[in-house]
Amino acid sequence: GENVEQHPSTLSVQEGDSAVIKCTYSDSASNYFPWYKQELGKGPQLIIDIRSNVGEKKDQRIAVTLNKTAKHFSLHITETQPEDSAVYFCAASRRTGTASKLTFGTGTRLQVTL
Amino acid sequence: SQTIHQWPATLVQPVGSPLSLECTVEGTSNPNLYWYRQAAGRGLQLLFYSVGIGQISSEVPQNLSASRPQDRQFILSSKKLLLSDSGFYLCAWSGRASSYNEQFFGPGTRLTVL
Repeated sequence: GENVEQHPSTLSVQEGDSAVIKCTYSDSASNYFPWYKQELGKGPQLIIDIRSNVGEKKDQRIAVTLNKTAKHFSLHITETQPEDSAVYFCAASRRTGTASKLTFGTGTRLQVTL
Repeated sequence: SQTIHQWPATLVQPVGSPLSLECTVEGTSNPNLYWYRQAAGRGLQLLFYSVGIGQISSEVPQNLSASRPQDRQFILSSKKLLLSDSGFYLCAWSGRASSYNEQFFGPGTRLTVL
């Protein structure tokens, strides 16, 4: 089955700096890679995703890059703000019939300090 | 717009007692539905998913079961809880609009088994 590894497990940056979280996956058939932000006590929130036919995607301060050959993808947050502090999860999936099953990384706790 | 509800929000149960967690989705039809468990400080583990009424796929052998009695209702159950069943339970849905790729999570149920 799919295995997703995520690094680092914790990340502390100063407000205004950039943050980068990296993930690798094992199943070359995986074709969809979302990123989720989870605040304390809440469900994960989808913040950006990328499909295997795209190398990079950007949404304001957030960007995701995908290297299919190396089987790794990364989340980039620029101009970090205190409200970016949360746990971030990457995931990888491929279709199984009409279902898309996500395999998650173990999460990165991002702390943005003033 | 679509919304997903879970209840109860928190639950404390003794070992050996039964369990029933409920998830409902509004604003969409024929969704795929998913149950995940998140142990403290860990990633999300897929437990069950359903592509239609009465159709349940189990991802891991365990003390839990799932049912889908209606199109937008997903229930997680146990006849006798174990200590190891403690965790944060998350329901998610995906829809035809995103080819069932994007998954959207509910607020979660925090279960403590004593």
